[in-house]
Amino acid sequence: NAGVTQTPKFQVLKTGQSMTLQCAQDMNHEYMSWYRQDPGMGLRLIHYSVGAGITDQGEVPNGYNVSRSTTEDFPLRLLSAAPSQTSVYFCASRRDFDSYNEQFFGPGTRLTVL
Amino acid sequence: AQKITQTQPGMFVQEKEAVTLDCTYDTSDQSYGLFWYKQPSSGEMIFLIYQGSYDEQNATEGRYSLNFQKARKSANLVISASQLGDSAMYFCAMREIVGFNKFYFGSGTKLNVKP
Repeated sequence: NAGVTQTPKFQVLKTGQSMTLQCAQDMNHEYMSWYRQDPGMGLRLIHYSVGAGITDQGEVPNGYNVSRSTTEDFPLRLLSAAPSQTSVYFCASRRDFDSYNEQFFGPGTRLTVL
Repeated sequence: AQKITQTQPGMFVQEKEAVTLDCTYDTSDQSYGLFWYKQPSSGEMIFLIYQGSYDEQNATEGRYSLNFQKARKSANLVISASQLGDSAMYFCAMREIVGFNKFYFGSGTKLNVKP
C-alpha cells in the first residue's frame, strides 16, 4: 500500500512549455484533489474529482486541466506554463464524498517555471 | 473573506512545555470539519487531528488536542510536552459539507522548539 504517489518530485520548465504532473493512489479512494502551496498562503485547491469521470474547479483553476479516467489516477496538466505557476503541488485523496476521514497527501512536486 | 485565519506566522516554545497554535474559521455551514496538519521541513503533509462541528468533546490524539470553541469559531491546537521533532509548519484546515466538500487551509504557523 503506497498511499498517494506523485511524480516527478522536482521539475523545471520554461515559460510556455506544457507538462503533466502525475498522481496515483492505491486506496480505492473516490475523492482526489490537487493543491498548490505558495509561501505564506497555505494550500489552495486547484481542481478536484469526486469519482472517475467527474471533475470540478477549485479556488485557483486557471491554467490547469484535469481528467479522471480511472479511480487510481488524477493527472494535472499545465497547458502553457507561466512563472506564476512556480509552486509546490500536492495531490490528495480521501475515501469518498461524505467521508469525515482526513485527506491523505502525496509527497509533493516542486515546480519552477523560468 | 478568509475561511481560515492563523494569526501566528511563527512561534517558539521550550522543549517539554505546552504550546497553543491559534486558528479561527469562517463558515455559515452547520456541518463542517476542522483539521490540523503538520508539515516538516521535508515537505510532506501529516494529518494530526480532526474535530467535527457536532462533536461535543474536544478531540485528542496523543500529545495533540484541539480546543474547539464553536461560538467563537476557533479551533486551536494544543501540543503538550513539546519535542524537538515538533518543529515544523502547522496548518489548520476546514472542510465544508456544502459544495463538494472543499478544504480550506490557513497560511500556517511555523513552530520552533528550543532545547
